[in-house]
Parts: sequence; C-alpha cells; structure tokens
Amino acid sequence: EVQLVESGGGLVQPGGSLRLSCATSGFTFSDHYIDWVRQAPEKGLEWVGRTRNKANSYTTEYAASVKGRFTISRDDSKNSLYLQMNSLKTEDTAAYYCVRSSYISGWYPDYWGQGTLVTVSS
Amino acid sequence: DIQMTQSPSSLSASVGDRVTITCRASQGISNYLAWFQQKPGKAPKSLIFATSTLQSGVPSRFSGSASGTDFTLTISSLQPEDFATYYCQQYSSYPLTFGGGTKVDIK
Repeated sequence: EVQLVESGGGLVQPGGSLRLSCATSGFTFSDHYIDWVRQAPEKGLEWVGRTRNKANSYTTEYAASVKGRFTISRDDSKNSLYLQMNSLKTEDTAAYYCVRSSYISGWYPDYWGQGTLVTVSS
Repeated sequence: DIQMTQSPSSLSASVGDRVTITCRASQGISNYLAWFQQKPGKAPKSLIFATSTLQSGVPSRFSGSASGTDFTLTISSLQPEDFATYYCQQYSSYPLTFGGGTKVDIK
C-alpha cells in the first residue's frame, strides 16, 4: 500500500524556519517525482515545488512565492522527502501535503499524504 | 504561468443528477490535466489524470474530457459520497497550477 506521511508542522514566528518531512512506503521511492502542495485555511490548492527522481538527477522546481526561501530535498535511503522553510511569512500558513507523481507520458499526481499544518504567527 | 479558470465555483445538486465542472487553460496544455476531490478536513484524492484516465479505484460515474483548452469533469449520477470540492491541475509546464475549485453541495 502506497503511503505518504507528513510531519514537522507547528507554530512558528514570522521570519523563522521549519523543516517538514514526508515519510513514504509501499513503492520504489527513487523512481518517482514528489511534489509539495499547500492549502491556506479555507482556500484552494497551491503547488509549492517538486523534486525529480534519481534518473533525472533529483533536480527541483519551485513556485515563485517560495523560491529562495524553501528548499526541497530527499533521502532515497530513507524513502523520505523534506521541505526546509526559511524566512517564513504569515502567508505561508497552510496545510502542507506531499504528493507522489507517476509517469505515463507526463508526470501526473496520484497519491497524497494526509498533510501537516504550519502556522506562522507572532 | 498557465492560468486554470474553473467554473462554476459552487453548485447545488441532488443525488442522481448529472454534474459537469469545467476548467479552461489560458494556453495549450495538451492532455496534461488532472482532477482531484477533496472532502472537508481531508487531503485531496486523485480522480483522473491525462484528461480522461481514471485513477485506480475511482468509480466509472466519473469521467473527463477535453475540447481544445476546455476540460470537463462529469459525474454521471451524483452519489451522496460525491458531495465535495473538486480541483483541476495542469501539469504541462512549471509552475504547476490549480483551478480555484468547485464546491458541490446538496440541493
């Protein structure tokens, strides 16, 4: 069974940092792209960024709203994904989801984690 | 960036109704379009990828189609468990972008 489990959310002050983790199981982690997607309270979904798989050199892409502040990394030996968030702003308050993508003529999202809540407030 | 304009933002329907939700892309995205369902307090669930391919386990009352840059999610006969918010997403180019969502509630 494919599983993605996020952790690391919590309350942080503006300007602070937080590191989210996504532990996975049930599939060959190194074969897949993985995204971070967030959802502010009562709002829609926003793509945060992506890490490609080993075959594509683990390269990353980011949304403009987080580029230069957030960093996605992965540890294939631990089947885990990370989101390092620095210089946090109140508008980063959201539930953060890790999302697996698979390939059939394009990398499409298929499995979602349950999410972890990040609150940026003084 | 590719804008995904989803309509309507909300709709009221009855069990057994046929429901149609549309996403319009601001430019061509080929067939790189996915649909998701989200229930209150829960993570989104993937329904469809590549415009019309159902994810494993998704009931056949869900279907997807496209005409140019207009994409449609259809629920042929709405069931009680289908009351939720639905989102589209293009995965043709970065940044990946979502539609604003359509909330389907009970009439």
